[in-house]
Amino acid sequence: ETGVTQSPTHLIKTRGQQVTLRCSSQSGHNTVSWYQQALGQGPQFIFQYYREEENGRGNFPPRFSGLQFPNYSSELNVNALELDDSALYLCASRSSGQGFHEQYFGPGTRLTVT
Amino acid sequence: AQRVTQPEKLLSVFKGAPVELKCNYSYSGSPELFWYVQYSRQRLQLLLRHISRESIKGFTADLNKGETSFHLKKPFAQEEDSAMYYCAPARVPGTASKLTFGTGTRLQVTL
Repeated sequence: ETGVTQSPTHLIKTRGQQVTLRCSSQSGHNTVSWYQQALGQGPQFIFQYYREEENGRGNFPPRFSGLQFPNYSSELNVNALELDDSALYLCASRSSGQGFHEQYFGPGTRLTVT
Repeated sequence: AQRVTQPEKLLSVFKGAPVELKCNYSYSGSPELFWYVQYSRQRLQLLLRHISRESIKGFTADLNKGETSFHLKKPFAQEEDSAMYYCAPARVPGTASKLTFGTGTRLQVTL
């Protein structure tokens, strides 16, 4: 069983550009969440995907968008990058259904916007 | 607005001393609360959830609805407890997702 993986590990973009971050969920997990962790802060919930549809969103503007694919992997897209988008982006996956299902985090992608 | 506060950025204790990591929340309804931990060079992981009432690695946390607190406690700190700890209420009860994390407290256990 493989854990949650994310790519790339880190990248540098220029203000105004667009970026796509990728996440492979843990085997058997159909729910993926994305979080933004700015320096010195706790992770902040961006959105969650379940069976390829967004089913929850935090306080982030529409230029943050996502996708989930049939194999439950996911992408986070950010358009019109701003300096404040510099952060560690975490992906987390879990299974669903009755009972409690723990959420497992990936190692993160470090995005720097210059 | 829903909010969680961890007032201490850094808590430094000696090995064997008691530990209390504070968490206060401002939430409507009955939130489900979690403590997450991140050890050095490791991923963020669940430590415990209030509803299970378990003791994990010697840590316990009691939900105090009157004080809206969910402090994490351990009677005797160990070196391996040194890590970053986050308090996190869930937006949706019964699920460990759509979490709102506090700013975190770094616990440093010294000899």
